[in-house]
Parts: sequence; structure tokens; C-alpha cells
Amino acid sequence: EAQVTQNPRYLITVTGKKLTVTCSQNMNHEYMSWYRQDPGLGLRQIYYSMNVEVTDKGDVPEGYKVSRKEKRNFPLILESPSPNQTSLYFCASSLTGKIGNTIYFGEGSWLTVV
Amino acid sequence: AQTVTQSQPEMSVQEAETVTLSCTYDTSENNYYLFWYKQPPSRQMILVIRQEAYKQQNATENRFSVNFQKAAKSFSLKISDSQLGDTAMYFCAFMKRYGNKLVFGAGTILRVKS
Repeated sequence: EAQVTQNPRYLITVTGKKLTVTCSQNMNHEYMSWYRQDPGLGLRQIYYSMNVEVTDKGDVPEGYKVSRKEKRNFPLILESPSPNQTSLYFCASSLTGKIGNTIYFGEGSWLTVV
Repeated sequence: AQTVTQSQPEMSVQEAETVTLSCTYDTSENNYYLFWYKQPPSRQMILVIRQEAYKQQNATENRFSVNFQKAAKSFSLKISDSQLGDTAMYFCAFMKRYGNKLVFGAGTILRVKS
């Protein structure tokens, strides 16, 4: 079954404590990205990756890091989380970054920073 | 930069009736895609329908159809024979033809009442 898997699904953490949200896809997709969802703002892209070792900033990259060492994995790293990073996070993937490819979303990760 | 505007934060409809959700967008691109996503209480992102800008014919998927007005940059979603399971947040989204991210509107909460 085609899947994008995120972990953890729910997390409460404290300000400044580094955390990583993992994302893995089993479809051999080249393109992966992270979005955050906030009330009244919809989803906004944080970072994306066109392929292994190729990453770039989206619209709201401040406070986040990513890496793409393997094709299937695209972790989102919060080096020093702050309360304004409390949000619902989605990982997404598609075969390539081109428009005709179906975009698959993970189930979302609720992150609360206190 | 592209922007997507959903002017109706919340809407409600009686079961079996028809409802239309509004979406406008701003872009200087000529080739692009538009999408409607459904997000039920589970927070899963579900693709409802998509429209390719170069196609004049409005897309339809069973009870869901769109009214795409390219000159007016309008992309509304019509849900016919509304069902309780249609209760969800609905997001309108834009992607450039050779782009690499979705630009989302703020969302419209739709409640279907029995």
C-alpha cells in the first residue's frame, strides 16, 4: 500500500529541546516536502526536496532544518523549538515535483511546544 | 507570488441539499493547476478534485464539480446531494505547471446538518 508515514503523530515538548519528526515514503518518490497548518493560514510549505541531497526552503523555513540522505526519508528537525512552532505538520511526496504527479500526504503530526 | 483566498470561514448546509464553496486566486502564470482538498476531523488530507487551467471544461467527480472562471481567477466547488460525511474543512490550492509546492487558502469549514 502506498504510504507516507510520519512519526510521532502527537508530541508535547518544551521550549529549546531539539526534536525530529520523521517522514518515510514507500513509493520511491523523488519529491518530498513539509507543510505546517495553522488556523486562518491554511497549509504553508516549510522545506522541500527534489531528490537525495537536494533540499530547498519553502515559504516558512525559519527555525527548521531538513535532510535527505536517502530517497525514502525526509526528517524535519527543530533544533530549538519555540511556542510559535506549535502546529500541525504534514509531510507530502510525489513521484517528481512536476504538476501531473499525484501528491500523497502523511497523516499529520501534532506538535505542541510549551 | 501566488495567493489563494477563501472568503467563507464557515458554511452549513442541510443534508441532500447543494452547497457552493468559493475560492479566488491571484497569479501571473498562464499554466497552472487548481485543487480542492477535504480535511475531515481525522485531519487526513484528501484530494477531492483538480482542474488544469488550460482545460476549459469544468472538472467533475461524482457529486463534486467546479466552476472554473479563468479570467475572473475564480474556482468554486459545488457539492450536490450533501451527505453527513461531507462535513470537513475544505482547502482550495494552487500549483504552477512546473512548480514544486501547493499554495493553500485558509480553508472553509463545512457542516452538513441532518
